[in-house]
Amino acid sequence: EAGVAQSPRYKIIEKRQSVAFWCNPISGHATLYWYQQILGQGPKLLIQFQNNGVVDDSQLPKDRFSAERLKGVDSTLKIQPAKLEDSAVYLCASSLDQHTEAFFGQGTRLTVV
Amino acid sequence: AQSVTQLGSHVSVSEGALVLLRCNYSSSVPPYLFWYVQYPNQGLQLLLKYTSAATLVKGINGFEAEFKKSETSFHLTKPSAHMSDAAEYFCAVNLASGTYKYIFGTGTRLKVLA
Repeated sequence: EAGVAQSPRYKIIEKRQSVAFWCNPISGHATLYWYQQILGQGPKLLIQFQNNGVVDDSQLPKDRFSAERLKGVDSTLKIQPAKLEDSAVYLCASSLDQHTEAFFGQGTRLTVV
Repeated sequence: AQSVTQLGSHVSVSEGALVLLRCNYSSSVPPYLFWYVQYPNQGLQLLLKYTSAATLVKGINGFEAEFKKSETSFHLTKPSAHMSDAAEYFCAVNLASGTYKYIFGTGTRLKVLA
């Protein structure tokens, strides 16, 4: 069974630029999560989708972050414009439903300079 | 609101010694609890989960955890540490009803000394 795929693995951008991350969840998984993990901290949930609907985006900085999950499968997370404090690893995860274990991708390490 | 507290951001043990990583949760309804491990430059991998069945849960790589409702704890243990266990460990809580969010603790970095 293929795991959660994320791309790119690494990205370096200058502040005020824009960036997009892509996630392909495990086939059949209805729930998709985007987490932000700052160095030395635990993952922080940014947004949670159930199929193509948003379940929770209370911690998503909506003035600069956006995410979508078209057709309830792949998802993209965008940051525009990026700030220095956005430097982190962005993890995508998926699960069969909202209670079962989440499977994580390898993450995208973003460095904003 | 649900939350997770992991005591000790860094834990060092000798190879062959007992591993004990602490996790306490706060939840107003029965929780689902999880332990994940993260190796450098990798995503999180599930070690084990508690979903209201047996309170003693066995996971991969010889790890186990015991759910203690009276202590609101879900500590992770392994009888004998191996060098390959060096990694960061995260405890997570997900409510069994209501808001279905995964909340992660701040993590414990385990170092295994030769």
